[in-house]
Amino acid sequence: LAKTTQPISMDSYEGQEVNITCSHNNIATNDYITWYQQFPSQGPRFIIQGYKTKVTNEVASLFIPADRKSSTLSLPRVSLSDTAVYYCLGIPSGAGSYQLTFGKGTKLSVIP
Amino acid sequence: GAVVSQHPSRVICKSGTSVKIECRSLDFQATTMFWYRQFPKQSLMLMATSNEGSKATYEQGVEKDKFLINHASLTLSTLTVTSAHPEDSSFYICSATGQGSSYEQYFGPGTRLTVT
Repeated sequence: LAKTTQPISMDSYEGQEVNITCSHNNIATNDYITWYQQFPSQGPRFIIQGYKTKVTNEVASLFIPADRKSSTLSLPRVSLSDTAVYYCLGIPSGAGSYQLTFGKGTKLSVIP
Repeated sequence: GAVVSQHPSRVICKSGTSVKIECRSLDFQATTMFWYRQFPKQSLMLMATSNEGSKATYEQGVEKDKFLINHASLTLSTLTVTSAHPEDSSFYICSATGQGSSYEQYFGPGTRLTVT
């Protein structure tokens, strides 16, 4: 699995857009970039996944440049409830049974 | 989405005793389940992978005789921490993936184990 690098922490005020960037220089051709969210004392929750360009769902957007060496998770207008740790992973396609390797993640703190 | 439950959510046990944690897939059949451990302010660390009906595969450094994993059915996997010690106190999380799944694993809510 691709090694990923993210900022350890970020602070944001409520209502702002937050962008968390993840570097994955050695991502494999068949890896999908996947983001998970984890609240304290809970299991991770899938947020979004993409391969190239831009993906948007009801929760977030994911921007992936053409070289796929990085990706940016964008959370529009964050609220206090978005305070969590966000993990970026590269996961091979068709690999539901693949072991996930979590990095340190980015701890997002939303300030009132 | 698919739901994975864990029981208990919290458990306190005395040093030297054993404790069993259950992981259930509620609305799908889980061909593979994973067990993770997470210490405070750290990331999730994979402990083992279990496939229904076969022996679990443990990650390097995880004692298979201490952390017994059973995946006897397509909806249930159990992790038993035997002869628990205070250093086993941690947050244990399971995840599951179903037949035909592509990439997504569904995580349980976790079990907080405290060994006194």
